[in-house]
Amino acid sequence: AQSVTQLDSHVSVSEGTPVLLRCNYSSSYSPSLFWYVQHPNKGLQLLLKYTSAATLVKGINGFEAEFKKSETSFHLTKPSAHMSDAAEYFCVVSLFQGAQKLVFGQGTRLTINP
Amino acid sequence: DAMVIQNPRYQVTQFGKPVTLSCSQTLNHNVMYWYQQKSSQAPKLLFHYYDKDFNNEADTPDNFQSRRPNTSFCFLDIRSPGLGDAAMYLCATSRWARSSYNEQFFGPGTRLTVL
Repeated sequence: AQSVTQLDSHVSVSEGTPVLLRCNYSSSYSPSLFWYVQHPNKGLQLLLKYTSAATLVKGINGFEAEFKKSETSFHLTKPSAHMSDAAEYFCVVSLFQGAQKLVFGQGTRLTINP
Repeated sequence: DAMVIQNPRYQVTQFGKPVTLSCSQTLNHNVMYWYQQKSSQAPKLLFHYYDKDFNNEADTPDNFQSRRPNTSFCFLDIRSPGLGDAAMYLCATSRWARSSYNEQFFGPGTRLTVL
């Protein structure tokens, strides 16, 4: 079965410092991986997705993620945190079972300190 | 702008009183999904429609039903809400393709409170 594990339930960084949100996946074949962001009381927004075209994926708002097959990881990074980045982040594996289905990690809450 | 709209944003119901949540989309996507997200948890898929073809997840309780009268609208009916059904309910849409790469577009959610 395919699954994702987010290694930190909560990450706190200072504004202007780098962000690292960690995600490991389990899959018997090359997975489709996504990162979604959820701001308080809002729906989910796609940040970026890995579709096997390139291992380094650039997303919106300066975020990027690197797919590392040898480490089964898909960590999300941003060079410089902004206050508006405070949100919940979900690493997601996407399956096709008659239709697309998303399997979410447990989420990482990102707090930005002034 | 093309989008996914959920109404109402906040819904309060009484224990056991049926409630209906609404989702509409202007994206003309043929797949619509309903997710349940409990406090501090990840979203969990309840069911999805591919056009009018309804697909229930194996562990979705019978208390949850859905209707899709046309491409644009989809409803979530909770027949007898219990306290454990209090959650955020998210609607999402996508264009069907034999692929796991598609983006799902999410609405803002309806937060359900059960008294």
